Amino acid sequence: AQKITQTQPGMFVQEKEAVTLDCTYDTSDPSYGLFWYKQPSSGEMIFLIYQGSYDQQNATEGRYSLNFQKARKSANLVISASQLGDSAMYFCAMSTLGGSSNTGKLIFGQGTTLQVKP
Amino acid sequence: DAGVIQSPRHEVTEMGQEVTLRCKPISGHDYLFWYRQTMMRGLELLIYFNNNVPIDDSGMPEDRFSAKMPNASFSTLKIQPSEPRDSAVYFCASSRGTVYNEQFFGPGTRLTVL
Repeated sequence: AQKITQTQPGMFVQEKEAVTLDCTYDTSDPSYGLFWYKQPSSGEMIFLIYQGSYDQQNATEGRYSLNFQKARKSANLVISASQLGDSAMYFCAMSTLGGSSNTGKLIFGQGTTLQVKP
Repeated sequence: DAGVIQSPRHEVTEMGQEVTLRCKPISGHDYLFWYRQTMMRGLELLIYFNNNVPIDDSGMPEDRFSAKMPNASFSTLKIQPSEPRDSAVYFCASSRGTVYNEQFFGPGTRLTVL
């Protein structure tokens, strides 16, 4: 069964430092996509970054990068130069293409709350 | 381009009443998703549509929930009758594809059933 695990319920980081949010996934499908979303206290879900299972290079989007280790089934989000506005809940999610009923579904982890300290 | 639009943003109702949530996806997106977010269960997919056709409704909790997509620019999620345990934030999202395309979420509807 497909599953996303985020083991860090909460994290603190000092402003301007880098932080890594952990995500491991489980699927037997060879084709899948991994996503990170940010949910600030206002409640909206903001897409941050995407990594495809066949992508050879780690995805990057501005200050966000995804450390994709396929053999370990991990897709950690790295935020460089943290800002106060980065304080939010972060969700890792996966979508698979396997011809099963899970196709197209985004399966979310439980989320990690990040607090950036000034 | 406008993002995904949801209405109402907040809904407070009494147990037993009918609730209708509305969603307008991003133009050109063929997929529409309804999610529910609670503290206990996190984010869970209720149903999704492809080209207005329901593809997977296995996440719909029970017969009290129904969803429709009469055209490419409008979808509804209806709860009848509502119960206090339905209190949650309901998100609508849309995308161009599934596995390899990000989903764009609406602002959500915060539903409180008293």
